[in-house]
Amino acid sequence: GENVEQHPSTLSVQEGDSAVIKCTYSDSASNYFPWYKQELGKGPQLIIDIRSNVGEKKDQRIAVTLNKTAKHFSLHITETQPEDSAVYFCAASRGNTPLVFGKGTRLSVIA
Amino acid sequence: GAVVSQHPSRVICKSGTSVKIECRSLDFQATTMFWYRQFPKKSLMLMATSNEGSKATYEQGVEKDKFLINHASLTLSTLTVTSAHPEDSSFYICSAKRGTSGVYNEQFFGPGTRLTVL
Repeated sequence: GENVEQHPSTLSVQEGDSAVIKCTYSDSASNYFPWYKQELGKGPQLIIDIRSNVGEKKDQRIAVTLNKTAKHFSLHITETQPEDSAVYFCAASRGNTPLVFGKGTRLSVIA
Repeated sequence: GAVVSQHPSRVICKSGTSVKIECRSLDFQATTMFWYRQFPKKSLMLMATSNEGSKATYEQGVEKDKFLINHASLTLSTLTVTSAHPEDSSFYICSAKRGTSGVYNEQFFGPGTRLTVL
């Protein structure tokens, strides 16, 4: 089955700097790669996703890149703000199979 | 769009009682809903997958008789924790897959329910 590895587990950046979180997956047939942001005591919020037929997707300060050959995808947050502080999860799935999540990255943006 | 609600957000119950958690997709039809459990500072653990009108598919190690799932409509799924015990205390989160997502498993999560069993 699918296995998703996420790094780093914790990340601290200065406000205004960029943050990058990386994930690798094992199933070459996976075709959907979402990123979720989870604040303390709340459910995960979908912030961006990418499908296997696209290499990059951007939404304002957030971008995701996908390298199917290497089987890894990354989340890029530019001009970080204190409200970006949260736990971020990557996930992967193939067709209608359940999402497989990474273990999460705790991002702290220091003002 | 793509809003999922959960009720209640927080519940405290006595050991031995049953607790029902509702998950609703408010502005879309959900062909499939998922129930997760999350321990502190951990990732999401899938408990079961439910499709409207059919029996839920439980993950290995999840007791189907303890965690009853009903998916009565395209907008509502319920999780009932039967004969709850302190070890069932956890953060339970549901998610819903939008029917228009096709072959992509696009899921939207509810806000979660904090269950505390005394």
